[in-house]
Amino acid sequence: TQLLEQSPQFLSIQEGENLTVYCNSSSVFSSLQWYRQEPGEGPVLLVTVVTGGEVKKLKRLTFQFGDARKDSSLHITAAQPGDTGLYLCAAPGGVNRDDKIIFGKGTRLHILP
Amino acid sequence: KAGVTQTPRYLIKTRGQQVTLSCSPISGHRSVSWYQQTPGQGLQFLFEYFSETQRNKGNFPGRFSGRQFSNSRSEMNVSTLELGDSALYLCASRPQSSYNEQFFGPGTRLTVL
Repeated sequence: TQLLEQSPQFLSIQEGENLTVYCNSSSVFSSLQWYRQEPGEGPVLLVTVVTGGEVKKLKRLTFQFGDARKDSSLHITAAQPGDTGLYLCAAPGGVNRDDKIIFGKGTRLHILP
Repeated sequence: KAGVTQTPRYLIKTRGQQVTLSCSPISGHRSVSWYQQTPGQGLQFLFEYFSETQRNKGNFPGRFSGRQFSNSRSEMNVSTLELGDSALYLCASRPQSSYNEQFFGPGTRLTVL
């Protein structure tokens, strides 16, 4: 069974600080997604990474896919209270595009004003 | 384009009862997946339907079932409710040609008393 391990589980930092959260696995993935979920709502897709070593930027958020496509990181620069939420990584659970999507348990991020 | 909709948003039931939740995917999306989200277990995959057929299945007991209609709308049913079934139930749809990106509804918050 493929698993996605996210760390840290919880992170509380001051506004303006930088942070990095991680998504790791022993399996190779064809693609990996990051989502953000706010209380009482469903997860919202932030980005998809596909190529090993790929880096994508979304304003102050930088996503990187590991060279071996087994892990990914999300770096936030100058965090703001609006970044607060649960960050989830997800990937296909098998080698086929139609395989089920598995999720990590997430990193709960709280930005203090 | 309208997003994924789920009804009802909130539901309170008692042990032993059954419940049916509904999900309407984004227009044109033929795949609908269901997830159970709890604080301890995170997002757990229930099942996925594609063109009215169950394409993938998670590790939940037979009390959890689903179906999909010809218009891609989906329902999930939980029979003989247990206290542990209290959770946020999320539905997600995905387009056929994608890197497994999913679009989530707001969820149905089920409380079992």
